[in-house]
Amino acid sequence: EDKVVQSPLSLVVHEGDTVTLNCSYEVTNFRSLLWYKQEKKAPTFLFMLTSSGIEKKSGRLSSILDKKELFSILNITATQTGDSAIYLCAGVSGSARQLTFGSGTQLTVLP
Amino acid sequence: ETGVTQTPRHLVMGMTNKKSLKCEQHLGHNAMYWYKQSAKKPLELMFVYNFKEQTENNSVPSRFSPECPNSSHLFLHLHTLQPEDSALYLCASSQDWDEQFFGPGTRLTVL
Repeated sequence: EDKVVQSPLSLVVHEGDTVTLNCSYEVTNFRSLLWYKQEKKAPTFLFMLTSSGIEKKSGRLSSILDKKELFSILNITATQTGDSAIYLCAGVSGSARQLTFGSGTQLTVLP
Repeated sequence: ETGVTQTPRHLVMGMTNKKSLKCEQHLGHNAMYWYKQSAKKPLELMFVYNFKEQTENNSVPSRFSPECPNSSHLFLHLHTLQPEDSALYLCASSQDWDEQFFGPGTRLTVL
């Protein structure tokens, strides 16, 4: 059974801090790993990672995948209160076209 | 606006009612998905439709019945639900296996 584990489950920081969110995965026929940000509504897509060691960046957010050690990290620098959300990672199984989500990390950024 | 719409946004129903959730995607994708999100649990994949053919159902109870009349529309028919079925039901679509775009969800409460 595919499994995705995220840590920490929750994190409280102050504006301006840098945070690192972790995601480890065990996915059969692994195809890619996705990061989403979920506020009050539906998840919104952040990154798709398929190649090991290549960093994806978008503004203050960046992410990298390690396919040998089966994990990914999401970094957020100079955090802002608007970064407060649940961050989800999901492993994609190519054979079943299935996403397995982790339980998410609840990030709270205090002013 | 993600290009995936869901109606209704909120639904309250009794255990003996029959109702349907609707999802429509305007992105030209070839796959659509139903997810259930309960409090403090990871997203759970319920159904996957690829070219209108159901490919995954993940052992969902028969009181949930999906229908995909074409590649742009997806329904979830509900009957004789239980209070534990109360959750946020999310629809998503994708082209091929990877990045999924989510609708805003239907918040379902079963009394």
